[in-house]
Amino acid sequence: AQSVTQLDSQVPVFEEAPVELRCNYSSSVSVYLFWYVQYPNQGLQLLLKYLSGSTLVESINGFEAEFNKSQTSFHLRKPSVHISDTAEYFCAVMASGYSTLTFGKGTMLLVSP
Amino acid sequence: EAEVAQSPRYKITEKSQAVAFWCDPISGHATLYWYRQILGQGPELLVQFQDESVVDDSQLPKDRFSAERLKGVDSTLKIQPAELGDSAMYLCASSFLGVRLNTEAFFGQGTRLTVV
Repeated sequence: AQSVTQLDSQVPVFEEAPVELRCNYSSSVSVYLFWYVQYPNQGLQLLLKYLSGSTLVESINGFEAEFNKSQTSFHLRKPSVHISDTAEYFCAVMASGYSTLTFGKGTMLLVSP
Repeated sequence: EAEVAQSPRYKITEKSQAVAFWCDPISGHATLYWYRQILGQGPELLVQFQDESVVDDSQLPKDRFSAERLKGVDSTLKIQPAELGDSAMYLCASSFLGVRLNTEAFFGQGTRLTVV
């Protein structure tokens, strides 16, 4: 079985500051890794994913995440956040050979002016 | 732009009543998922369909929950009877053929259920 730990339930940050949302996973098999974003009362939107290849993956809106196999981590970073980035962020894993996602409990990113 | 449609968006029901949610996946998507998201938690899989067949319903409380996808297209999730602890967001997602390389799961906007 797989599990995901998001260490921070809430991360407050000022606009234009950098941010890191932490994610650690546990699995006995190879995994694929995902970050989803959820705005209030909305469904989840895929932000970025690691499937194979380069361990650094980027989204179109400036987020990036790095897969670290030795640390079993997939932390999400952004060098400069905007007010519009305020949302809940979920890290998820999928075991190789399977097709279901296991989610962490989420991290609420609160960006203030 | 194609999207996963869910209805209703919000539902308030009394405990012990029956309630149903509907999901229409993106056209051509063979895999359909129902997730439950309790406030402050991440989504948890309830059931996964591949076409009309159930692939995984190990976390579905079968004494009160049922799900069907009769023609392999849209799906209905039912709760009977509803309990206070069922208050949550119910999310439907679909993907072309499971969440594999170069495919992803697309989520609907969810149904917010409140049991009173």
